[in-house]
Amino acid sequence: AQKITQTQPGMFVQEKEAVTLDCTYDTSDPSYGLFWYKQPSSGEMIFLIYQGSYDQQNATEGRYSLNFQKARKSANLVISASQLGDSAMYFCAMRRPSGGYNKLIFGAGTRLAVHP
Amino acid sequence: DADVTQTPRNRITKTGKRIMLECSQTKGHDRMYWYRQDPGLGLRLIYYSFDVKDINKGEISDGYSVSRQAQAKFSLSLESAIPNQTALYFCATSASQGNSGNTIYFGEGSWLTVV
Repeated sequence: AQKITQTQPGMFVQEKEAVTLDCTYDTSDPSYGLFWYKQPSSGEMIFLIYQGSYDQQNATEGRYSLNFQKARKSANLVISASQLGDSAMYFCAMRRPSGGYNKLIFGAGTRLAVHP
Repeated sequence: DADVTQTPRNRITKTGKRIMLECSQTKGHDRMYWYRQDPGLGLRLIYYSFDVKDINKGEISDGYSVSRQAQAKFSLSLESAIPNQTALYFCATSASQGNSGNTIYFGEGSWLTVV
């Protein structure tokens, strides 16, 4: 069965430091996609970064990078130079390749608190 | 203006009442989705639609129905609301192909409380 696991319910980081949010996944499909979303307290889901299973390089988007270790089935999000506005829930998700419908399954999330 | 708009953003309703959540998008995407978020469980898929003639059940469709009135509109109905349907509901869209198909865009969410 396909599954996403985020083992850190909460994380704390000092402003300007880097933080890694863990995500492991389980799938038998060779083709899949991995996503990270940010959910601030206002509730909206903000797309951060995407990694395809066949991508040769780790995805990066500004201060966000995805540490993709395919053999270990992990897709950790690294936020560099944390800012107070990074405080939010972060969700890892995997796209299931079912007829191309782009259905996502989500992990339970990690709540990140950035301290000044 | 948001590309994916949900209405209402907040609603309190009574047990047994019918409630509809509406979603419209200006992204021109053909695929639309309804998700539900409960604390500690991430998001779970309720229904999804490939186009106006295509409706499919997701993981947790019981107690819900949907209607795809047009490519840009996808509504979710609770025919007879019950308290355990209290949750944050998200509409989402994605393109059918190309790199943009890798991304699912979410609306701002609709907080629904059933009392």
